[in-house]
Amino acid sequence: GESVGLHLPTLSVQEGDNSIINCAYSNSASDYFIWYKQESGKGPQFIIDIRSNMDKRQGQRVTVLLNKTVKHLSLQIAATQPGDSAVYFCAENRGYNQGGKLIFGQGTELSVKP
Amino acid sequence: KAGVTQTPRYLIKTRGQQVTLSCSPISGHRSVSWYQQTPGQGLQFLFEYFSETQRNKGNFPGRFSGRQFSNSRSEMNVSTLELGDSALYLCATQQVAGAETQYFGPGTRLLVL
Repeated sequence: GESVGLHLPTLSVQEGDNSIINCAYSNSASDYFIWYKQESGKGPQFIIDIRSNMDKRQGQRVTVLLNKTVKHLSLQIAATQPGDSAVYFCAENRGYNQGGKLIFGQGTELSVKP
Repeated sequence: KAGVTQTPRYLIKTRGQQVTLSCSPISGHRSVSWYQQTPGQGLQFLFEYFSETQRNKGNFPGRFSGRQFSNSRSEMNVSTLELGDSALYLCATQQVAGAETQYFGPGTRLLVL
């Protein structure tokens, strides 16, 4: 079936360390990917996105890497802070004929220890 | 610019009832998508509306329906509620339909007793 999976359901890091959250996607036709952060009681918050014609994109303290050969996506958070503690989701869009439909991964819970 | 708003934020219903949830998109956004989030199934796509037309539909029964108004506001309706419909219902909006950033609202937490 449709799936975007995550390798690690939970990740615990020390404050100040770098975090890496991984995601595997199944459809090679997917051409747009987004990372969202969801804090308890809130809706998902956009972090960063990347299109399939790129393999890396950087934002503020975050970097997304896309490896189309192995259908793998990762989110790197530099100098992780307690405020980064949340569940992180990757999502894929499978092309214009799918409109705005996003397929979400299961999510990884990031816990930052002070 | 105001974000995506959803009403109500919390709702308690009993089995067999029906419910209507509302989503107001960011100004200028014409596409509204709805998702259901549960601990067991995660985030699942329900449907998307663009220019008052349903553009895409997920794998949910016909009890789940929606519509979009000319001002891009959207509603979703669930009829004959079941216990398993208890979930966080999220809407996400974007300027046009297609592969671009979607911004989520805070969600409506529905509890079916």
